[in-house]
Amino acid sequence: DTAVSQTPKYLVTQMGNDKSIKCEQNLGHDTMYWYKQDSKKFLKIMFSYNNKELIINETVPNRFSPKSPDKAHLNLHINSLELGDSAVYFCASSQFTDTQYFGPGTRLTVL
Amino acid sequence: AQSVTQLGSHVSVSEGALVLLRCNYSSSVPPYLFWYVQYPNQGLQLLLKYTSAATLVKGINGFEAEFKKSETSFHLTKPSAHMSDAAEYFCAVRDGEAAGNKLTFGGGTRVLVKP
Repeated sequence: DTAVSQTPKYLVTQMGNDKSIKCEQNLGHDTMYWYKQDSKKFLKIMFSYNNKELIINETVPNRFSPKSPDKAHLNLHINSLELGDSAVYFCASSQFTDTQYFGPGTRLTVL
Repeated sequence: AQSVTQLGSHVSVSEGALVLLRCNYSSSVPPYLFWYVQYPNQGLQLLLKYTSAATLVKGINGFEAEFKKSETSFHLTKPSAHMSDAAEYFCAVRDGEAAGNKLTFGGGTRVLVKP
């Protein structure tokens, strides 16, 4: 009965590859988010979607493209991966302005 | 823009001692404030939140936080530390609806509990 799930949990890939991270929530929330946590544990918002509509796009390189096929899913596709993309990516969801619940994270390592 | 400052990137406490984690914020609107905990290799778990009701907020695992508007602070405390409290703690402020309700996080404070 996981509330917010992400796949994969670990992702190791070469520079220049394209990869996707999937997120699903079963809480019935209408808003979903992607956050990036860097090697110093600093957390920063990347995107948010409300009812499949993009709300926040926080100066993220256009190599990152979120896709929300429905309210319960928000996927993150990354093109042409760079070393600096190595981080932990967290998905979260909320009922619009209410508390955000986070997934377990996806640790991306770019070699 | 909102911002959050957590004083002290590392805090070391003895088991049974008081845990005090400091958080100061800046906000142009009445703030909604949160404390999250991150255990090693896990996601963020909500400890407690302030939403303009009582200024003293009680959370899970014996933690509480006090909102002080005059000091723009939202410090987190626990009277008696347990070994299981060793984790990273994040204070966050939520932007208003116009900014998409995003969370702006502090830099985090790592808590080490000594036996």
